[in-house]
Amino acid sequence: DIQMTQSPSSLSASVGARVTITCQASQGITNYLNWYQQKPGKAPKLLIYDASNLETGVPSRFSGSGSGTDFIFTISSLQPEDIATYYCQQHKNFPLTFGGGTKLEI
Amino acid sequence: EVQLVESGGGLVQSGGSLRLSCTASGFIFSDHYMDWVRQAPGKGLEWVGRIRNKPNSYTTEVAASVKGRITISRDDSKNSLYLQMNSLKTEDTAVYYCARVSTRIDVFDIWGQGTMVTVSS
Repeated sequence: DIQMTQSPSSLSASVGARVTITCQASQGITNYLNWYQQKPGKAPKLLIYDASNLETGVPSRFSGSGSGTDFIFTISSLQPEDIATYYCQQHKNFPLTFGGGTKLEI
Repeated sequence: EVQLVESGGGLVQSGGSLRLSCTASGFIFSDHYMDWVRQAPGKGLEWVGRIRNKPNSYTTEVAASVKGRITISRDDSKNSLYLQMNSLKTEDTAVYYCARVSTRIDVFDIWGQGTMVTVSS
């Protein structure tokens, strides 16, 4: 199985700050990496697919980069509504696997 | 409106069985692969399994943690997805989400609201 390691597990930042989350795969996954946002009590929502592609309707302050084993998710200017937990997910191989999540607080 | 609605969750004793349903609306259900993803209380997301569409022979993939204890099925005539869970363990306690796989890219683009399954000892 491909293990996905996210860091940090939690993060506190101020409104307007630049936020970066990393995700490392235990083996190369080319760009088969998605990012999801989950707000408390809600289902996850797709933000970024295939490492760097912004899902339609998602604000441009969200971005992703990376390939192989190392990936970065960035919020360029944190907004209050971005308070959530963020997950990376690989879809290179079954079983599909998620990172442990990064809980973002203000 | 594109929507997925899960049902069938509840409290069940260890060793018991439960069948979850997911009803789709607002899109052509039969076109899509469908997955189950679960989330234990206070924990992260765990993929459970996938069922492909008819052109792909309705084949399934399941996680090792549930293999042999679950069956994923679908009824395209009813726009419905199912998760039959047997020999339930306390560690199966979680919110179970059904999720639509996009036809364009391998992502979960639509999620249900989730249904809670509690397995007691």
